Parts: sequence; C-alpha cells; structure tokens
Amino acid sequence: AQSVTQLGSHVSVSEGALVLLRCNYSSSVPPYLFWYVQYPNQGLQLLLKYTSAATLVKGINGFEAEFKKSETSFHLTKPSAHMSDAAEYFCAVRPISSGSARQLTFGSGTQLTVLP
Amino acid sequence: EPEVTQTPSHQVTQMGQEVILRCVPISNHLYFYWYRQILGQKVEFLVSFYNNEISEKSEIFDDQFSVERPDGSNFTLKIRSTKLEDSAMYFCASGGQPGTEAFFGQGTRLTVV
Repeated sequence: AQSVTQLGSHVSVSEGALVLLRCNYSSSVPPYLFWYVQYPNQGLQLLLKYTSAATLVKGINGFEAEFKKSETSFHLTKPSAHMSDAAEYFCAVRPISSGSARQLTFGSGTQLTVLP
Repeated sequence: EPEVTQTPSHQVTQMGQEVILRCVPISNHLYFYWYRQILGQKVEFLVSFYNNEISEKSEIFDDQFSVERPDGSNFTLKIRSTKLEDSAMYFCASGGQPGTEAFFGQGTRLTVV
C-alpha cells in the first residue's frame, strides 16, 4: 500500500524567503508523485508532477520539486515566497499501473503562511 | 482550457435525505473519480470509475453511495440517506491516459443538517 507523509502541517515563511514543503512517500516501487495547491474555498490545482522522467520537475508559479529515490522524498520548493502563495499544499502519490484504478493517495496537507 | 465542472457549488440537505452531486468531466477523459475532504482533514479517495463500471472503491464508499454516468457527459455521486458525518467538500476528478494527472473540479460543499 502506498502512503504519503507531509512533515509540518503548518509552515510560515517571510515574503521573499525560500519555501520548502516536505513530502516523503512509501511505496514498493517508485510511483507517480504530484503536488496540488488548494487556495481558500477553491478546488485542487495541480502544481507539478513526477512521472519517471526528469527527477527535477518544474511547475507553475515558480515551484519545483526533486524526486529523490534514495530518500523516498519529493519536496516542494520555491526560491522566493510571494504573498499569493499562501494556501494549503498537498502531496499525492499514485501507482504506476496499467490497471484502471489510478486513484491518488493524498498527504495530510501543509498550510503555508507567508508573512509580510 | 478544458476543466471539470461540478454543480452545485454548495448544497444543504437534511439528514436522511438523498443528494446527487453532479460533475461534467473533461470530454476526452476516460477515468473518473470522486474524493471528499472533511473540513480540516485530508482529501480521501472514494471511488474510481472506468469503462462504465467502478474500478476501485475505498472503505468509505459503502452501500449508501453510488455513482453513475447516465450519459456521455455527466458523472454523478448519489448519497442515498445522508448522515451528519457526510458533510464535506466533494471533489470530482477526471484523467486521461496513464501517467497523466487527474484534473479536479472546484468541489461541492455538502452540509447535512
């Protein structure tokens, strides 16, 4: 069974500072990995995804994540935080499967606060 | 840009009543999902649907839940007899080919009173 652990349910950074949101996965084989963002009262928007191509993945809004198999990690980073980045961020995993079930397993989320 | 559309955005219902949550997935997608997020908790998988049948369901998806794709465009989630603990944001998602991401709708906030 796959699982995702997000360390830190709340992260606060100053505007302009580095954002680092941590995600570790548990899976017998490297899965597909995703980061989604949820702004207040909105749905889930895909930030970026890892699907076994390049290990450094660039996403929207200046975010990127690096897949590290040895560490079973897929941490999300952004060099300089902006006030508009304040949101909840979810890491998710999905099996690389030829079957029809491709559901995502989500982490518990990290609420990012950006301080002025 | 294609998107997943959910209606209504907010629904209030009395305990014991039936509700139907509606979704219009992206037109060329083949895989359809329902997830829910109870306030303050993680997003949880409910059910996946492919080739006109349920392909996977979680333990949450018990007999009070059902899904249907009544025509070529809609994908519905029915809760037969709602309970207070069914109050949550329900997300529909759809996906295309293997390796592609799931696109989520904006969600329907269900409040059971």
